Amino acid sequence: GQQLNQSPQSMFIQEGEDVSMNCTSSSIFNTWLWYKQDPGEGPVLLIALYKAGELTSNGRLTAQFGITRKDSFLNISASIPSDVGIYFCAGLAGNMLTFGGGTRLMVKP
Amino acid sequence: EAQVTQNPRYLITVTGKKLTVTCSQNMNHEYMSWYRQDPGLGLRQIYYSMNVEVTDKGDVPEGYKVSRKEKRNFPLILESPSPNQTSLYFCASRSRGPGHQTNNSPLHFGNGTRLTVT
Repeated sequence: GQQLNQSPQSMFIQEGEDVSMNCTSSSIFNTWLWYKQDPGEGPVLLIALYKAGELTSNGRLTAQFGITRKDSFLNISASIPSDVGIYFCAGLAGNMLTFGGGTRLMVKP
Repeated sequence: EAQVTQNPRYLITVTGKKLTVTCSQNMNHEYMSWYRQDPGLGLRQIYYSMNVEVTDKGDVPEGYKVSRKEKRNFPLILESPSPNQTSLYFCASRSRGPGHQTNNSPLHFGNGTRLTVT
């Protein structure tokens, strides 16, 4: 199946810092999605991107759909302790939703 | 409350002993799917179903079976579990297939089933 390379695999940052993570693929996707998973729970959708070049914000989160349709990034500004969790990118092509390997975010108060 | 319910949340079993993980959604969603989550690999799709009596293989279907006899339920069956199936499993559902652009409906995930096969 298709592969999504998500980086970094983990981040340990100070509260208040900005965070950036990205996903790249050798394949084109029609939709890019970003999910967050809290411990003991399933992933929850944060942001959905539908067009190449699209830049979308959701509070302190900003995500962009790469112009080549093969990549996407997620930025979190002014991180807070509750941002802790695993963030997943996902690309949609046809009926298949492919997930990246996840970025584990740890925030030091 | 709209939700996807998986059972059990935790399961420890032995190699070869058949097991079923149930998944039920109360949102009348057509599309349901099973994923397994392993460290560094993200979520990989096992099987999905576009509607009742319609199932398709995902990326990692080997060793698994599913059925979709009714809209709300999508059980995952391991006929002869092996240790390499030790993982965290998630069921998910949404309406009208996984194309989020059509109606902006997100994929709803259950809270996961942690399976250990010894």
